[in-house]
Amino acid sequence: GAGVSQTPSNKVTEKGKYVELRCDPISGHTALYWYRQSLGQGPEFLIYFQGTGAADDSGLPNDRFFAVRPEGSVSTLKIQRTERGDSAVYLCASSMTSGSPNEQFFGPGTRLTVL
Amino acid sequence: AQKVTQAQTEISVVEKEDVTLDCVYETRDTTYYLFWYKQPPSGELVFLIRRNSFDEQNEISGRYSWNFQKSTSSFNFTITASQVVDSAVYFCALKGGAQKLVFGQGTRLTINP
Repeated sequence: GAGVSQTPSNKVTEKGKYVELRCDPISGHTALYWYRQSLGQGPEFLIYFQGTGAADDSGLPNDRFFAVRPEGSVSTLKIQRTERGDSAVYLCASSMTSGSPNEQFFGPGTRLTVL
Repeated sequence: AQKVTQAQTEISVVEKEDVTLDCVYETRDTTYYLFWYKQPPSGELVFLIRRNSFDEQNEISGRYSWNFQKSTSSFNFTITASQVVDSAVYFCALKGGAQKLVFGQGTRLTINP
């Protein structure tokens, strides 16, 4: 497929558990973004990668959240000691370059539910 | 700080009516970009349009048109002769010097047959 893919599409976990969410960007896209969308809200920025490095992680809510992109392609968002407030749809987007203008293409999201 | 406000939480119209979705933004950046995205019930965000801060020309694409007014910091979106398939949540977004998109809260548009 040519689009951004995210797995799993749904994840249900218990409070306190650790989860990993995966994003596979469009081939050749160097920039990758994570956003979080709570019910009835617009997406909120979490972190942005240019290549392998996190260029801006100012949106990560606390140190329970961490993301990696070791080879500059696939990225994993990791959440430790999950809380009920972490329940949301986690969206990944990618773009060809970080320079402006950069149209960000979004994946279908992972719906995380913390019980 | 950057902010996008979509004051209309929900709009419901009858098919074939024209409808305008409002978007007001705040930014201190002199160069910025404005976007509209559509989020149908399937959940995936679909890019509709991008405008840069130096181009205030209005744009028309089929039944869609966009009105960018820097003087009022607005970037409104009009759908002419609406159709049921236009039903979705629509987001306005802003990108300034940073790479991230700042989204509004969205407007849920329902087109009734």
